[in-house]
Amino acid sequence: TQLLEQSPQFLSIQEGENLTVYCNSSSVFSSLQWYRQEPGEGPVLLVTVVTGGEVKKLKRLTFQFGDARKDSSLHITAAQPGDTGLYLCAGKKNYGGSQGNLIFGKGTKLSVKP
Amino acid sequence: KAGVTQTPRYLIKTRGQQVTLSCSPISGHRSVSWYQQTPGQGLQFLFEYFSETQRNKGNFPGRFSGRQFSNSRSEMNVSTLELGDSALYLCASSFGDIYGYTFGSGTRLTVV
Repeated sequence: TQLLEQSPQFLSIQEGENLTVYCNSSSVFSSLQWYRQEPGEGPVLLVTVVTGGEVKKLKRLTFQFGDARKDSSLHITAAQPGDTGLYLCAGKKNYGGSQGNLIFGKGTKLSVKP
Repeated sequence: KAGVTQTPRYLIKTRGQQVTLSCSPISGHRSVSWYQQTPGQGLQFLFEYFSETQRNKGNFPGRFSGRQFSNSRSEMNVSTLELGDSALYLCASSFGDIYGYTFGSGTRLTVV
């Protein structure tokens, strides 16, 4: 069973459209991160959210951490071909005061066509 | 500043052989984590080192091992390679628990 479920798995849209990617879990996370990965490269950190209900904006990207810190979403406004890539959410759990390892979802593969 | 450097970028090995992968973290980062990425399973955690000590370990067989040196550089070793070990192996470094990870470009291992 995957601890972090991402949906959708694949998304193909036209340039200019909006989209939302979801990351859900039944577990509580102390922090959640979003990464973007391009083919043949390692993931690149986009944002870290740590507070329930937190919203962070990065240009056309809006990230939200659920109030209960079990889920998160990534919304892209007016998508561009340069947004194409694999979007990964990753969470850290707190074990008695110490941080566990970063757990990744399987990712959402986004393709934005011009 | 220099990013996370992984060597080699590509590797082809035969079943039964062993392999050592290297990772140089960002200067000042003491935490180094290793992940295996495959199309079917995504990123699976292998282990994390902090100040030369293994702090966390994933659910991989004992054929997978690692270590970290005093300069924070890390190596991972896979012995008795199997076809299923073919994957992209990613190393990530971090300044600490609450910070995000910086990943290297990975080592693409193919076992034939």
